[in-house]
Amino acid sequence: EIVLTQSPGTLSLSPGDTASLSCRASQRVSSTYLVWYQQKPGQAPRLLMYAASSRATGVPDRFRGSGSGTDFTLTISRLEPEDFGVYYCQQYDGSRTFGQGTRLEIK
Amino acid sequence: QVQLEQSGAEVKKPGASVKVSCKVTGHTLGDLAVHWVRQAPGKGLEWMGGFDPEDGETIYAQKFQGRVSMNQDTSTYTAYMELTTLGSEDTAVYYCTTEGLFASFDFWGQGTLVTVSP
Repeated sequence: EIVLTQSPGTLSLSPGDTASLSCRASQRVSSTYLVWYQQKPGQAPRLLMYAASSRATGVPDRFRGSGSGTDFTLTISRLEPEDFGVYYCQQYDGSRTFGQGTRLEIK
Repeated sequence: QVQLEQSGAEVKKPGASVKVSCKVTGHTLGDLAVHWVRQAPGKGLEWMGGFDPEDGETIYAQKFQGRVSMNQDTSTYTAYMELTTLGSEDTAVYYCTTEGLFASFDFWGQGTLVTVSP
């Protein structure tokens, strides 16, 4: 099973800052099958990025996904209040696993 | 627009089984692959399994094999997930979700809280 490790566990930033969230895999992951989600308290997750760098419908271009192999990054520029929440990466290699999440909180 | 409406909260005793439903509207269920993801209180997301349209089979995460079953009833536009031999560690919110592009999960139900308590 591929284990995804996200860092940092918690990121405290202010509106207008840039956030950089890391997702590291225990084995190589195809970029085609690396996904990012956002989750807010009491809500279901929301799809943000698929295929590592493609934004889902309605996701602003302040969100950028990058990476390959075992290292992937979600970068959020010009943070807005609605961006705060927990972010998860997920991979597919015939089975699926999620990272443990990064909490992005307002400083 | 696909919408997923899940059944209500459940309270079960240890050793019991639970069956959660997920009604699909806005799209033909036969064209969708429904998966199930759970989230224990204060914890992260955990994939349980789902329908694989490539071979028409349902695949389960190894952790749940033998204890979970999932099916899709296209006549009622409803997907089901049944988990047996419940323990306290199964207390969680259970989500149904649909597979989108490149193995992503694009639409989600509102979640069903299953509480396992003596």
